[in-house]
Amino acid sequence: QTVVTQEPSFSVSPGGTVTLTCGLNSGSVSTSYHPSWYQQTPGQAPRTLIYSTNTRSSGVPDRFSASILGNKAALTITGAQADDESDYYCMFYMGSGYWVFGGGTKLTVL
Amino acid sequence: EVQLVESGGGLVQPGGSLRLSCAASGFSFINYWMSWVRQAPGKGLEWVATIKQDGSEKYYVDSVKGRFTISRDNPKNSLYLQMNSLRAEDTAVYYCARIRWPRYYSDYWGQGTLVTVSS
Repeated sequence: QTVVTQEPSFSVSPGGTVTLTCGLNSGSVSTSYHPSWYQQTPGQAPRTLIYSTNTRSSGVPDRFSASILGNKAALTITGAQADDESDYYCMFYMGSGYWVFGGGTKLTVL
Repeated sequence: EVQLVESGGGLVQPGGSLRLSCAASGFSFINYWMSWVRQAPGKGLEWVATIKQDGSEKYYVDSVKGRFTISRDNPKNSLYLQMNSLRAEDTAVYYCARIRWPRYYSDYWGQGTLVTVSS
C-alpha cells in the first residue's frame, strides 16, 4: 500500500522561509509521479498551488515554489505571510488512473 | 468562469445508498477527466474515483471498489457518484474536481457536499 508522508505540522515566522516535504514509503519521489500541491483553509475547498512538480498554478504568488529535494517532493514558501497559515497537501499520480494524497501539513505563521 | 457545484449529500444509515451530483459550468465538460475526492471530519484529503472524458475508463480507491460508481452525463455537464453499502468511515465532505490530463492534477474544485453515515 502506498503511503505518502508529510510533516504533521510546521511553524514559520512572518517573513520567514519554510520547506514542507512529501515522501513515499515505496522509495524516492521523482517527476514521473507528477507531484502537485494544494492549500486548504478550514471549511474551504482545496486550492491548487503547484502541478507537474514545480509549475505554479494561475494566480499563485511566486513566493510559493516547489521541487524535488533529495528523495522527496518539496514546497517552499519564501517570505511567509499571515494568510499562508493553512493546511498543505501533496498529491502523487501513481499511474493506471490512481492518485494518492499525503496526510497534510498544518502550517502556522507566528 | 469554471464552476463545480456538488449536491446530494445528507444523513444516511449504515448500509444505505446516496447519489452525489456535480454540476459543471464555464468550460467544455466533455473534454476533461473528472474526479471525486473526500475529506473525513478533521482528516486529510483522499482521492476516491476518476472518470475519463467519455466514461470509458473509471478508477477507484480500493476502499470503495464494488460499492461506489462514478459516472457522467456529458450533455447535462454533470458528474455523479453512486454510493451503496455505505459505512461510517465513508462520512466525509465529497469534492468534485476537474483533472488536467496528462499533467495529472486537479485544477478546479467544488465547495463540497457533506455525507454523514450514522444510525
